[in-house]
Amino acid sequence: EDKVVQSPLSLVVHEGDTVTLNCSYEVTNFRSLLWYKQEKKAPTFLFMLTSSGIEKKSGRLSSILDKKELFSILNITATQTGDSAVYLCAVEKSGGGADGLTFGKGTHLIIQP
Amino acid sequence: GAVVSQHPSRVICKSGTSVKIECRSLDFQATTMFWYRQFPKKSLMLMATSNEGSKATYEQGVEKDKFLINHASLTLSTLTVTSAHPEDSSFYICSARDGRITNYGYTFGSGTRLTVV
Repeated sequence: EDKVVQSPLSLVVHEGDTVTLNCSYEVTNFRSLLWYKQEKKAPTFLFMLTSSGIEKKSGRLSSILDKKELFSILNITATQTGDSAVYLCAVEKSGGGADGLTFGKGTHLIIQP
Repeated sequence: GAVVSQHPSRVICKSGTSVKIECRSLDFQATTMFWYRQFPKKSLMLMATSNEGSKATYEQGVEKDKFLINHASLTLSTLTVTSAHPEDSSFYICSARDGRITNYGYTFGSGTRLTVV
């Protein structure tokens, strides 16, 4: 059975801190790993990772994938209160057709002023 | 970029009635759309894959007679919750992938909060 496990499930830090969110996975026919930020409604896309060892960056956020050890991390530096959200990790499988995403349970991040 | 519109954003219905949720890809064609359900403080769970012009593929444990999916065109998929009960109350989200974009991933609708009273 496919599994996506995120840790920690919740995290409270102060503004300005750096956080690292973890995502490990066990899936057959891995295609890509995606990170999403979910505030009140639908998830918003952050990163899509397909290759090992290549860091993707967007402002204060960065992410990297390790396909050998089957995990990814999402880093947020100099956190701000607006970073408070649930961060979801999802894995996409390959198989010729479209299979949808398997999500982890998310990390609920709270940034305190 | 790819935009997915979902409607309604919020609906309250009486137990025993049916509710239809629409998911539209606004600027691209989506032969496949996906329907997810999210319970409070839990992850998104894939319910079914909606295929244009053919039957939907349901995940294990999802009742296909309860959650009817119709994907009649390349830009519209609908999810109908039939004979809704309070336990069907949840947040439902659709998503689609624009095949023209290779590094973007899936685009989600804004979700529908269903409350069955």
